[in-house]
Amino acid sequence: DIVVTQSPDSLAVSLGERATINCKSSQSALYSSDNKNYLSWYQQKPGQPPKLLIFRASTRERGVPDRFSGSGSGTDFTLTISSLQAEDVAVYYCQYHLGTPITFGQGTRLEIK
Amino acid sequence: EVQLVESGGGLVQPGGSLRLSCAASGFTFSNYWMHWVRQPPGRGLEWVARIKSDGSITTYADSVEGRFTVSRDNAKNTLYLQMNSLRAEDTAVYYCTRDCPGGCADYWGQGTLVTVSS
Repeated sequence: DIVVTQSPDSLAVSLGERATINCKSSQSALYSSDNKNYLSWYQQKPGQPPKLLIFRASTRERGVPDRFSGSGSGTDFTLTISSLQAEDVAVYYCQYHLGTPITFGQGTRLEIK
Repeated sequence: EVQLVESGGGLVQPGGSLRLSCAASGFTFSNYWMHWVRQPPGRGLEWVARIKSDGSITTYADSVEGRFTVSRDNAKNTLYLQMNSLRAEDTAVYYCTRDCPGGCADYWGQGTLVTVSS
């Protein structure tokens, strides 16, 4: 089965600073037929369902602030928040979905320093 | 506005059964693959199952294969998850999600809590 590992498990960043979360999959998320990476990022705040932020590794979902960006290809991906805001405190998950089983990373807890 | 509303959760004894429902509105339900994703209390997300738009293809996580069945009624805009032989480790909030498409989830319900305990 595919293993998806996020790093770090938790992260504390000052307001206005950059936050970077990494995601590594044990198999490539790149589908050769369409040259797209089937890797997405979600944000989950306490008591709420997850919210889709980024899909296909780097495409921002409608309505997501442009301080959120995704990059990477193959097995290594990154979610970057360019200037941390208080409302960004949450747990972030990456998701591998090239075929099944669809697999989530373990999550990264982001807090304010 | 897209809405997904789960129901059917509750307390069930080990070995018991439960059927979850997800009522969909605000989009053409019959055009979309749908998924169930679960989250044990205080823990991370686990994909459970998916079903094709017309119901002809279903896929399951190994942890639930043979015990859970996903189905849908496109006339009623409703997704189901029949859960049998429930175990303590099935305790979780169960979310209904709409496929992006491609396997991601662009809309999530609020979830329904399933507790398996004696």
